[in-house]
Amino acid sequence: SQQGEEDPQALSIQEGENATMNCSYKTSINNLQWYRQNSGRGLVHLILIRSNEREKHSGRLRVTLDTSKKSSSLLITASRAADTASYFCATGGDHGSGNTGKLIFGQGTTLQVKP
Amino acid sequence: DTGVSQDPRHKITKRGQNVTFRCDPISEHNRLYWYRQTLGQGPEFLTYFQNEAQLEKSRLLSDRFSAERPKGSFSTLEIQRTEQGDSAMYLCASSLLPYEQYFGPGTRLTVT
Repeated sequence: SQQGEEDPQALSIQEGENATMNCSYKTSINNLQWYRQNSGRGLVHLILIRSNEREKHSGRLRVTLDTSKKSSSLLITASRAADTASYFCATGGDHGSGNTGKLIFGQGTTLQVKP
Repeated sequence: DTGVSQDPRHKITKRGQNVTFRCDPISEHNRLYWYRQTLGQGPEFLTYFQNEAQLEKSRLLSDRFSAERPKGSFSTLEIQRTEQGDSAMYLCASSLLPYEQYFGPGTRLTVT
């Protein structure tokens, strides 16, 4: 089953603009991850934020986490045409306490960056 | 290339036929996962192997689906008597450390 909703489902922006995607989840978490998927390809891990973190940066990526609202956002600054892809949030991945490490994904946001 | 590989990349089959997909994980990774992704949706977990043992199966994995990982190396996912609803992208991922899963390019199945 899907973990939650992602908003918006689709986003189209001009190169150089910022893109913000939101993710809501249903259960308590230890961490939340964001993945990118280029059309028809596998997923690539972008960034992980732990439940005790509120914000994390990696290059042009900024992720926030609000555990009280069970939501996260991914901001891509100064977008490029190469950022065109689908972006998914995912929870899980824990190996401890008998967890298998499976990931539970949101429905994704499709981002188009126009040159 | 030392990433996760999947074969075939695309498969078109007629309803009722059996299909088998293969996943070769990163060599030192002891954990292997299969996911299914339908158009416009996120991947959904199907099954998990730790070494050669299949330790979890989703309710999505009906009796027509079977997965193996002999000797804890490559894995196969077989679908018997395919149905149109089986059309999807089948993704394989491998992992050694928590929170780090490496995905293959996927096998796109089309059932006509």
